[in-house]
Amino acid sequence: NAGVTQTPKFQVLKTGQSMTLQCAQDMNHNSMYWYRQDPGMGLRLIYYSASEGTTDKGEVPNGYNVSRLNKREFSLRLESAAPSQTSVYFCASRGGSGTGPYNEQFFGPGTRLTVL
Amino acid sequence: QQQVKQSPQSLIVQKGGISIINCAYENTAFDYFPWYQQFPGKGPALLIAIRPDVSEKKEGRFTISFNKSAKQFSLHIMDSQPGDSATYFCAAAYGGSQGNLIFGKGTKLSVKP
Repeated sequence: NAGVTQTPKFQVLKTGQSMTLQCAQDMNHNSMYWYRQDPGMGLRLIYYSASEGTTDKGEVPNGYNVSRLNKREFSLRLESAAPSQTSVYFCASRGGSGTGPYNEQFFGPGTRLTVL
Repeated sequence: QQQVKQSPQSLIVQKGGISIINCAYENTAFDYFPWYQQFPGKGPALLIAIRPDVSEKKEGRFTISFNKSAKQFSLHIMDSQPGDSATYFCAAAYGGSQGNLIFGKGTKLSVKP
């Protein structure tokens, strides 16, 4: 039982390059999330998917797109990377029904992204 | 209204001491208040959570105190150990929020031997 896995662990991009961050969970969870973590800013929600086939914007969606490929996988795409997107990105998943927060969110180990 | 304000930003405690981290919120619709613990290089993990129908919840050395009227909640770590050194995040959410947590900005705790 691997939980939530993320690839890659580290990535360096040049301004304007694109890339996709991959996330997968093996807990049969309905909901999945993408966060970014910046020093002194806590965790900020980029996009979420309450169930397979649905995605919605979070607090900081600009410059990102997502795809809920199936129940297991939720990818985050940067179409044209900018230095402001230098951050640590975390994927998380949560079991239970689509509404209501009461079940634990399980986080992946993160992807450390640097945009030069 | 959606913010969760966390303090202090950093905290240094001697081994065996009590660590206290405070959070405040404005949205009275919030009804779920978890605390997450994050070690360097790792993702956050749920430590303990409380619903507003109780004023306190204890799990081992970790206690959440909740004050509904003041719209504040806090994490107390009793007999703090060097292994507790980590960043702690409070969060809040409500039932209609699709499970979305609003996180505080975090507190970096260092427990000195």
